[in-house]
Amino acid sequence: AQSVTQPDIHITVSEGASLELRCNYSYGATPYLFWYVQSPGQGLQLLLKYFSGDTLVQGIKGFEAEFKRSQSSFNLRKPSVHWSDAAEYFCAVATGGGNKLTFGTGTQLKVEL
Amino acid sequence: DAGVIQSPRHEVTEMGQEVTLRCKPISGHNSLFWYRQTMMRGLELLIYFNNNVPIDDSGMPEDRFSAKMPNASFSTLKIQPSEPRDSAVYFCASSTPTAFEAFFGQGTRLTVV
Repeated sequence: AQSVTQPDIHITVSEGASLELRCNYSYGATPYLFWYVQSPGQGLQLLLKYFSGDTLVQGIKGFEAEFKRSQSSFNLRKPSVHWSDAAEYFCAVATGGGNKLTFGTGTQLKVEL
Repeated sequence: DAGVIQSPRHEVTEMGQEVTLRCKPISGHNSLFWYRQTMMRGLELLIYFNNNVPIDDSGMPEDRFSAKMPNASFSTLKIQPSEPRDSAVYFCASSTPTAFEAFFGQGTRLTVV
C-alpha cells in the first residue's frame, strides 16, 4: 500500500531564510504527488502537484518541489520564507488507479520574525 | 465558484446524539471525499464517491458512520450514535476523476461531549 512520510513534525525558520520540507513516499508505480498547506482553522489548499515530466515543479506562493525517483522523495522548497507562510504542510500521494489521496502526518512550520 | 461548501462549521453535541455533516462539492466535480483530521491519526480518508456511487468506504471506522450522496451536488456524513472519540475536524473534498487534485472545504469541527 502507498504511504507518505514527513520526518519533520515541527520546523522553525527565520523570516527571509530558505526552507526545505521533506517528504518520502512508498508506492510501486509512478506516483502522483502533491503538497498542501493548511492555515489554522482552514481547509487544505493545494500548493503544487507532480504527475509527470519535468521533475522540478513550481507552485503558488513561491513554492517549488523536486521529484527524485531514486530517493522516493518530493521535497518542498522556498528560497525566502515570509511570516505568512507559517502553517502546516502536508505531502500526499494519489494512487494511479484512483484519485484518493494518502497524506503524510504533516510538518508544522513556524516563522520567527 | 464558491468552492466546496461544508455545514455546519462547528457542531457541539452530546454523546449518543445523531450528527449530520453536509457537503456541497464544486459544480462539475464528480468525485467526492470525506476525510477526518485528528491530532492522533492525522488526515484519514473515510469514504469516497465517484458519480454519486461509493467506491471505497474502507476508512469508515464503524457502523455508526454512514455517508450518502443522493445527487451530484450534495453529500452527507452521519454519525449515529455519536461518541466523544468522534470529536475531530471533518473535511469534504471534491475533484474530477482524472485531475487527482482535490479541493477541500473549510471543514466541520465536531465536538462530542
